[in-house]
Amino acid sequence: GAVVSQHPSRVICKSGTSVKIECRSLDFQATTMFWYRQFPKQSLMLMATSNEGSKATYEQGVEKDKFLINHASLTLSTLTVTSAHPEDSSFYICSAGGGLDQPQHFGDGTRLSIL
Amino acid sequence: AQSVTQLDSQVPVFEEAPVELRCNYSSSVSVYLFWYVQYPNQGLQLLLKYLSGSTLVKGINGFEAEFNKSQTSFHLRKPSVHISDTAEYFCAVEGQNFVFGPGTRLSVLP
Repeated sequence: GAVVSQHPSRVICKSGTSVKIECRSLDFQATTMFWYRQFPKQSLMLMATSNEGSKATYEQGVEKDKFLINHASLTLSTLTVTSAHPEDSSFYICSAGGGLDQPQHFGDGTRLSIL
Repeated sequence: AQSVTQLDSQVPVFEEAPVELRCNYSSSVSVYLFWYVQYPNQGLQLLLKYLSGSTLVKGINGFEAEFNKSQTSFHLRKPSVHISDTAEYFCAVEGQNFVFGPGTRLSVLP
């Protein structure tokens, strides 16, 4: 069964809306989670690393104020796309784990469509 | 930092034929290596991984991959593909961070 749960799986909303995506680790505690963005027919691009109890680390070119990340507990990280616009439409995937003790597990992704 | 190259963006192959999807990487540190499959509009599913030990790794759905340190490669193979194997395949490495390759679209033709 899934060890990382991502919700919702699909969101369609109007331009200007803020959208929150949740990523939960079900069977283990994750001090670090990762958020990726995938454009059609392209690979996954790391957006940011979510750190429990501290600020997220953003990759170059990713707007911190646009993509708000909160990692309030060891099993939950959230990504909020603030004031979303059509160019934010994409497939967002989270992951948790990594290393020998706990392989990287991916959520099923969230398809975000901004009208 | 690491980088991953998947030379073939698309690989068409007939059903029941063998297939090899190529992956090469570069890294200044030791890495773990992974292959993931992504079906349309879905997340990623781990096919197999190399962490240490035997360089030939067997995964799910009949796939296997061989780690070649001297050639910095981790090619994915399957001796006989099925229509259901049609998907996007991503090679990934984990060292200082987790990096995906650009992906290879495998299309299995009847």
